[in-house]
Order: sequence, then structure tokens, then C-alpha cells
Amino acid sequence: GQQLNQSPQSMFIQEGEDVSMNCTSSSIFNTWLWYKQEPGEGPVLLIALYKAGELTSNGRLTAQFGITRKDSFLNISASIPSDVGIYFCAGQPGGNEKLTFGTGTRLTIIP
Amino acid sequence: DSGVTQTPKHLITATGQRVTLRCSPRSGDLSVYWYQQSLDQGLQFLIQYYNGEERAKGNILERFSAQQFPDLHSELNLSSLELGDSALYFCASSGVQYGYTFGSGTRLTVV
Repeated sequence: GQQLNQSPQSMFIQEGEDVSMNCTSSSIFNTWLWYKQEPGEGPVLLIALYKAGELTSNGRLTAQFGITRKDSFLNISASIPSDVGIYFCAGQPGGNEKLTFGTGTRLTIIP
Repeated sequence: DSGVTQTPKHLITATGQRVTLRCSPRSGDLSVYWYQQSLDQGLQFLIQYYNGEERAKGNILERFSAQQFPDLHSELNLSSLELGDSALYFCASSGVQYGYTFGSGTRLTVV
């Protein structure tokens, strides 16, 4: 099935560092979502973006909806140990439609 | 608690068998989606139901089927199971008010 291109695939960082990841698509989406998944759990929504060019923050997390509607970015500032997990982007054509997920970015924090 | 309930949480079964996974959507949500996540992979869309009717289909195998009942709960039926069907199966629901939410998943192991 289709998946969005998400990079990097994995990141190994030290606590306190900032993190950036991005997601690109060949098709346009009207909604971009960022999820975090921890082992054995379902994805949990972090940030939802509904408008091209939109920049939205949720605590230390900031995400942007690309102007072309074909990409999105997520930044995490001053990482902490509980940020460890797999981050997925997802694009949605419209409300109540299926999500197309990115391939995921696995974040590991080195002690 | 996301409000989306999936049962069972774990399931171990033999090849060739049939299993049923159950999902209760968040109260008021009319749409139910099923996703499959294989080891260290992103989530692949299987099928969507809206108010009891099939709305969209992804790369769902013919051995798999789903339905949504009048009380809006949904079941995913997997038959003639193969080793490669081992995965996490997630249900999500969406509605007008709260957007897209995932359950905690069913881990299926085929031995």
C-alpha cells in the first residue's frame, strides 16, 4: 500500500538536543497529522494541521503544513527521555477519510 | 483511554485458523477504520466503514473481511491464517467533533 516518505528513518540524539523530521508525498493532502507510537500501544495524536502554511505548536513540539500541501515537518525542542518512540506523519484527503501513513522515524535518546 | 476499545489485546492461533477482532468506536463516531502494522512497519489501511456501510477499501486480502453493526461496533475477520498475517491490528474511529483516534490494538501471532 501507499506510504509517505518520512525521514530520517531513525535518530540517535542526546537529551536536550532538538529534533527535526519531515514527510513528503506525491499527492496533495488537506490535513496533515503527526502521531507518536510507543511499544505495544496505538498511535497517539500529537498535532493536527488543517491549512497550507499553518504552523502549530503543542508544548515542545512544532509542526508545519507545507505550502504545496505535499509535505509537513515536525520539530521537537529540548528532547527529554519520554520523547523516545516512533513518530509517524499521516496525510488525510478530507474529513472522515482514510489516513496514509509515513514510514516512521524512530527516536532514541542516548544517555 | 482513547475511547476506542479493541479486544482481545493478544491472540495466538495456528495457521489455517480463523479469528475475529472486535472494535468499539468512540461514542458518537460513525466511521471505523482498520489498519495493519507488521513488525517495524508503518500502518497500512485495510478498510473503512461509515454508519454500517463499507466506504473505502485498501489492500485488504480476500481472506479478510469486516463489518460494522447497527450499534456501530466493528469486527475484522481473518481466515485461513498464514504466518505472514502476524501483526498488530489497529482500529480507529472518527467523527465530526473529535477527529481521528486509535485503539490500543490487537497483537495477532500466527504459529
